[in-house]
Amino acid sequence: DTAVSQTPKYLVTQMGNDKSIKCEQNLGHDTMYWYKQDSKKFLKIMFSYNNKELIINETVPNRFSPKSPDKAHLNLHINSLELGDSAVYFCASTSGQGVSGELFFGEGSRLTVL
Amino acid sequence: DAKTTQPNSMESNEEEPVHLPCNHSTISGTDYIHWYRQLPSQGPEYVIHGLTSNVNNRMASLAIAEDRKSSTLILHRATLRDAAVYYCILRDNTGTASKLTFGTGTRLQVTL
Repeated sequence: DTAVSQTPKYLVTQMGNDKSIKCEQNLGHDTMYWYKQDSKKFLKIMFSYNNKELIINETVPNRFSPKSPDKAHLNLHINSLELGDSAVYFCASTSGQGVSGELFFGEGSRLTVL
Repeated sequence: DAKTTQPNSMESNEEEPVHLPCNHSTISGTDYIHWYRQLPSQGPEYVIHGLTSNVNNRMASLAIAEDRKSSTLILHRATLRDAAVYYCILRDNTGTASKLTFGTGTRLQVTL
């Protein structure tokens, strides 16, 4: 069973469209994250949720809106997609706000904006 | 999270030990040293972490300098499957919401 699963794995879309990436974890964790890895391979944190509440927001444009319907899911919705949004997006989860536990990452969702 | 410095790349022969260094001269007393690795086309994977004492697990060993300003990840016998980017990260565990801040990492190449 996949611990942290993301869908879709690949997404190709046009500029200006709106798209969503879904993430689910079956580890019983209470904290989830979204990271972005750009073409230069830098991994940057975007958001973190603990028990459905936003606890980290790294000054991401408000075109990005995370939503956590329950603590096992953290979805990422992106409005008005731009070329610079092309990247691999990774979801991750941990327990206890990430203070002591390891992070478990999904396999990533590669977004290409044309 | 405090900053770490790692070599951009390293090479190793298969079946030989690999020592991946990391400098973190601005580490604070509450920072844990975490290592993650990212295999090609995969998400980052936890390797090991420690605070002051050396640590061993099934994947690797972590040797921490006495002054904690540097550490070394040791892969005892490198295999081709260990080829990845290895990230050394300092993480403040003082009880607030914590985040991993990834640097550029060390790209490890393993050859036959």
